[in-house]
Amino acid sequence: GAGVSQSPSNKVTEKGKDVELRCDPISGHTALYWYRQRLGQGLEFLIYFQGNSAPDKSGLPSDRFSAERTGESVSTLTIQRTQQEDSAVYLCASSSSGTSFPSYEQYFGPGTRLTVT
Amino acid sequence: RKEVEQDPGPFNVPEGATVAFNCTYSNSASQSFFWYRQDCRKEPKLLMSVYSSGNEDGRFTAQLNRASQYISLLIRDSKLSDSATYLCVVKVDSSYKLIFGSGTRLLVRP
Repeated sequence: GAGVSQSPSNKVTEKGKDVELRCDPISGHTALYWYRQRLGQGLEFLIYFQGNSAPDKSGLPSDRFSAERTGESVSTLTIQRTQQEDSAVYLCASSSSGTSFPSYEQYFGPGTRLTVT
Repeated sequence: RKEVEQDPGPFNVPEGATVAFNCTYSNSASQSFFWYRQDCRKEPKLLMSVYSSGNEDGRFTAQLNRASQYISLLIRDSKLSDSATYLCVVKVDSSYKLIFGSGTRLLVRP
């Protein structure tokens, strides 16, 4: 079946512009996660959705970052007034539910590589 | 202190070698443990779970030491295709969140 997809795969934007990154999770997966990975570093948790609700937004680095999810499906991560330090790969993952194995195995999309010039 | 710590490497080994990576975690409430593999410029993928008694999957063996709060991954008979970054991941039960280490890079040379 189809895996997690993300678009665009690459995005180059000028400092100060807004960007929207999209994630299409695996159909039927209720849990959705956004991560950021800077070059040569590990995954940094940003936000978690269960259905359309986001019970944990603790990883969002500033109020320039926001995310929403609709129809218990597609999610959009928006970064306003981008800064150079926002340059990273933004990864989305989904899982069938939150807490019991194997349902919390997270399947990752290919990521969006964001470059802020 | 990071919640999950790994030696970044790189570990540079010849084909056929045995190599081991360790990972330490700080939260004693961590209950579930995994190794993910991430190829260069690709997304992470689950390699294997780590069970309390240790477990093996082909050439890969994972071990857990709860008392010392570390996890290990042993790769036997290394292949060129094993070259990747190996991410140590822990989960605190009752939480949905996976905590990722920064990864250990492995390079297998001919």
